[in-house]
Amino acid sequence: GAVVSQHPSRVICKSGTSVKIECRSLDFQATTMFWYRQFPKKSLMLMATSNEGSKATYEQGVEKDKFLINHASLTLSTLTVTSAHPEDSSFYICSVRGRGGTEAFFGQGTRLTVV
Amino acid sequence: QKEVEQDPGPLSVPEGAIVSLNCTYSNSAFQYFMWYRQYSRKGPELLMYTYSSGNKEDGRFTAQVDKSSKYISLFIRDSQPSDSATYLCATSYGGATNKLIFGTGTLLAVQP
Repeated sequence: GAVVSQHPSRVICKSGTSVKIECRSLDFQATTMFWYRQFPKKSLMLMATSNEGSKATYEQGVEKDKFLINHASLTLSTLTVTSAHPEDSSFYICSVRGRGGTEAFFGQGTRLTVV
Repeated sequence: QKEVEQDPGPLSVPEGAIVSLNCTYSNSAFQYFMWYRQYSRKGPELLMYTYSSGNKEDGRFTAQVDKSSKYISLFIRDSQPSDSATYLCATSYGGATNKLIFGTGTLLAVQP
């Protein structure tokens, strides 16, 4: 499977600041990337889908101005949490999928804590 | 009704036991079925991937899909303490951009 690197693995930030999370596909051309959010003991909640070179498609209820997604290349996507608040504290995970592929490969996740 | 239902557990078994993990789904249009293993504070790791109905075996793991009853299963033989994790089932309509629909995950603990 693909090797997906997510950085940072954990971050603590002050309320009101912005945080950028990177997702890199190290050995795989990721034409589609997905960003998920996971609360403790809950399943993964899809936030948005992004295709390389296109604007991200956000799931219902996800604020696109708060969670900025950029899929700049076939190997890099970023999620920026703008003006973070304590309720944004969560585990954020990216996954990648190649052209024509159905399997999705996941990064190791980023634990965001907003204080 | 959720699109994918999964018993959250926790499920505790002794080492060496056969583990059966199950999910049901509601939409007969789902074509692809996956099982992921997630260790605490880590991203999910793809374990098994099946298209349509049937069985697929990989080492100690067997994935089974019954589309007639909309039921998917993962069996773990000779379970080990290292198998202790959350197991997530997922389905998809197929295609590179179609999203995965996840179950809530089952927490498995294998006692030494």
